[in-house]
Amino acid sequence: DADVTQTPRNRITKTGKRIMLECSQTKGHDRMYWYRQDPGLGLRLIYYSFDVKDINKGEISDGYSVSRQAQAKFSLSLESAIPNQTALYFCATSDYSGTGVYEQYFGPGTRLTVT
Amino acid sequence: GNSVTQMEGPVTLSEEAFLTINCTYTATGYPSLFWYVQYPGEGLQLLLKATKADDKGSNKGFEATYRKETTSFHLEKGSVQVSDSAVYFCALRKTGGFKTIFGAGTRLFVKA
Repeated sequence: DADVTQTPRNRITKTGKRIMLECSQTKGHDRMYWYRQDPGLGLRLIYYSFDVKDINKGEISDGYSVSRQAQAKFSLSLESAIPNQTALYFCATSDYSGTGVYEQYFGPGTRLTVT
Repeated sequence: GNSVTQMEGPVTLSEEAFLTINCTYTATGYPSLFWYVQYPGEGLQLLLKATKADDKGSNKGFEATYRKETTSFHLEKGSVQVSDSAVYFCALRKTGGFKTIFGAGTRLFVKA
């Protein structure tokens, strides 16, 4: 089984709808992240969480919110979806690797289309 | 601020050809550098990393050397295979930090 799972894998929704993307991990990591990937732009950080009580905005948090329900679960919500939120969304986790460098582990992604 | 620039794709090669994907960075201090690979329909996987100047990261036949004098971390492989077809991302992170800065990605197609 995959260490980082995301549901749904694909979603088409209409403008103005609320949608939630879910992420679960079995790696036991404290840190979790949400990124979006757009062609030609790489990955950009939306939100990150160091533990259940610590949630922080990333570089592009406007229009998004998150919930860290447990150490293993981190959900991303779009309160009122708009077409320019059409993208590939990735959840990731990290822990200290022992070499001073944090390793990140990514889920398979959720492809979201807002029409 | 910190940034990563990598060559635009797509890069199309024949099997057994030599691969170079250029990556340069701008950063304060001494970041750690990474190459990630994204196979079709999958998330990113760490391919290799280097944490200080002159370090060479290597994995699965891929190599990259941390060059501080040229602020570069070019990815190379001596003989590519069809199975190497993927998108490759160069990235940096301040040592001990948690925010990863990604390049735009370079798509590689390898023809049989």
